[in-house]
Amino acid sequence: SQELEQSPQSLIVQEGKNLTINCTSSKTLYGLYWYKQKYGEGLIFLMMLQKGGEEKSHEKITAKLDEKKQQSSLHITASQPSHAGIYLCGAELQGAQKLVFGQGTRLTINP
Amino acid sequence: KAGVTQTPRYLIKTRGQQVTLSCSPISGHRSVSWYQQTPGQGLQFLFEYFSETQRNKGNFPGRFSGRQFSNSRSEMNVSTLELGDSALYLCASSQLDGSYTFGSGTRLTVV
Repeated sequence: SQELEQSPQSLIVQEGKNLTINCTSSKTLYGLYWYKQKYGEGLIFLMMLQKGGEEKSHEKITAKLDEKKQQSSLHITASQPSHAGIYLCGAELQGAQKLVFGQGTRLTINP
Repeated sequence: KAGVTQTPRYLIKTRGQQVTLSCSPISGHRSVSWYQQTPGQGLQFLFEYFSETQRNKGNFPGRFSGRQFSNSRSEMNVSTLELGDSALYLCASSQLDGSYTFGSGTRLTVV
């Protein structure tokens, strides 16, 4: 089973609507990263969260880390076509000097 | 400052051949990690190098190898290519604060 589970796997929303993507870990988190990827391209760094309860925002994207639940959420407000892509959460888990990734969430924005 | 540079961007090889991919990290970053991305398995960790030493290794066969040079540039080599090795290969460089920056990737197609 995946060490990091993302939900949903795919999401189609109307432009202007809000949406949330979740990332849940089966192990203790030591740093949680959110990336965006356009098909076949590299990962674009969005945000890094390291402390329980931490919340960061950039433009219309907000990420939160719930350390007790070993979970992070990514929230997009008033979605735009430019938000379309694959969102990946990555985490440094207990005992690992590497990033493990969730399977990704494919986001489609309908005009 | 320049980002993470991966070369080549695209590569087509025949089964049984070998291939070498290159990754130049951000200046000052001493850690380089390699990942394989496929539609079925998602992003899988290959290995990580720090100061010319392999510090961590994922669950890949011995056909996958890598090295890091004194200038932190890294190469990964895949010998005896199989069809299943077709993937996007991504490298990431990082510094002590843990932030990981990814390159645009090398798309390898094995025919």
